[in-house]
Amino acid sequence: DTAVSQTPKYLVTQMGNDKSIKCEQNLGHDTMYWYKQDSKKFLKIMFSYNNKELIINETVPNRFSPKSPDKAHLNLHINSLELGDSAVYFCASSQDYLNEQFFGPGTRLTVL
Amino acid sequence: DQQVKQNSPSLSVQEGRISILNCDYTNSMFDYFLWYKKYPAEGPTFLISISSIKDKNEDGRFTVFLNKSAKHLSLHIVPSQPGDSAVYFCAARDDYKLSFGAGTTVTVRA
Repeated sequence: DTAVSQTPKYLVTQMGNDKSIKCEQNLGHDTMYWYKQDSKKFLKIMFSYNNKELIINETVPNRFSPKSPDKAHLNLHINSLELGDSAVYFCASSQDYLNEQFFGPGTRLTVL
Repeated sequence: DQQVKQNSPSLSVQEGRISILNCDYTNSMFDYFLWYKKYPAEGPTFLISISSIKDKNEDGRFTVFLNKSAKHLSLHIVPSQPGDSAVYFCAARDDYKLSFGAGTTVTVRA
């Protein structure tokens, strides 16, 4: 059983389009995250939700909007996609901020 | 501005020998440090961690050392096995956020 799952695994789209990436965790965790791994391979935190409440919102363009319909899901919606948005996006979850994070397999987004 | 740095992008080691991965950080407020392992096309998986009040933590073949005065930590893998070939990320926590290094690719040669 997959602990943290993301869909889709690959996403290829044109500049200017709007797309969503879905994330689900079946670990019963309270906290979920979105990370972006850029071309230099750094993993950078974008957002964090705790019990459906936004806790961390790093310097991310307003085109990115996370949505948490319930504790087990944290989706990422991106408007007006740009070339620079091309990256691998990882979802993660943890019991709380003090515990290790469990990562999903990643979604490779390519903007043409 | 990267607060966590892994200056060696790659490491090649003979099977059975020790692998030593290094990580430096700049933020003195980091209170918890972690190592993650990542295989291609998968997400990072937690490997081992250490609190800032300790200087060593051991789990089987993996040992993490922390030198707070030098703002340096290292991961020792001994003995190295072919299945250890992966990318290893160092991470540090401050104010509920994790900051990651760029990773070190370890290749274990048979």
